[in-house]
Amino acid sequence: GAGVSQSPRYKVAKRGQDVALRCDPISGHVSLFWYQQALGQGPEFLTYFQNEAQLDKSGLPSDRFFAERPEGSVSTLKIQRTQQEDSAVYLCASSPKTTGTGMAIEQYFGPGTRLTVT
Amino acid sequence: AQKITQTQPGMFVQEKEAVTLDCTYDTSDQSYGLFWYKQPSSGEMIFLIYQGSYDEQNATEGRYSLNFQKARKSANLVISASQLGDSAMYFCALHSGGYQKVTFGTGTKLQVIP
Repeated sequence: GAGVSQSPRYKVAKRGQDVALRCDPISGHVSLFWYQQALGQGPEFLTYFQNEAQLDKSGLPSDRFFAERPEGSVSTLKIQRTQQEDSAVYLCASSPKTTGTGMAIEQYFGPGTRLTVT
Repeated sequence: AQKITQTQPGMFVQEKEAVTLDCTYDTSDQSYGLFWYKQPSSGEMIFLIYQGSYDEQNATEGRYSLNFQKARKSANLVISASQLGDSAMYFCALHSGGYQKVTFGTGTKLQVIP
């Protein structure tokens, strides 16, 4: 079946522009995560959705970052007034399981969107 | 709080040899899971293996096995019979049952030498 897809795969933005990154999770997956991966680093958690509810946004670095998943499937990560430090790969992952149950869950990752802010 | 430590930024291994990638973790939760992911140069994160905190047996998946030592809070990945295609970044990750977030380590770059 189809895996997690993300678009665009590459995005170049001028400093100060707004960008929107899309994630299509695996059909039926209730959990969705966004991560930011800087060059040479591991992914850093940004936010978590359970269906349409954003249960954790503690990793969003500033109020310029906003994520939504209005119908519990597709999610969009929006970055307003981009800065050079926002340059990174943004990874989306989905899971058929939910967190908070006391059990760890496996995640299926998309290919990522590489954002370069010039 | 959750923390993952990978102390080996880079490793070399001869083709067909076994290699161990180190991972230590810290969590106050009793229920948690440890994951290993492979990230080739193409960028996709590929799930390799999972170990639950209550699992009594060490996890194995083909050539991958996880050496889980709970008292030492370590979850090392062992790759047997290394292949050239194993060259990639490897990330250890921790998910504690009481949290939403998954914490990743900084990764180990493995290079397999012919």
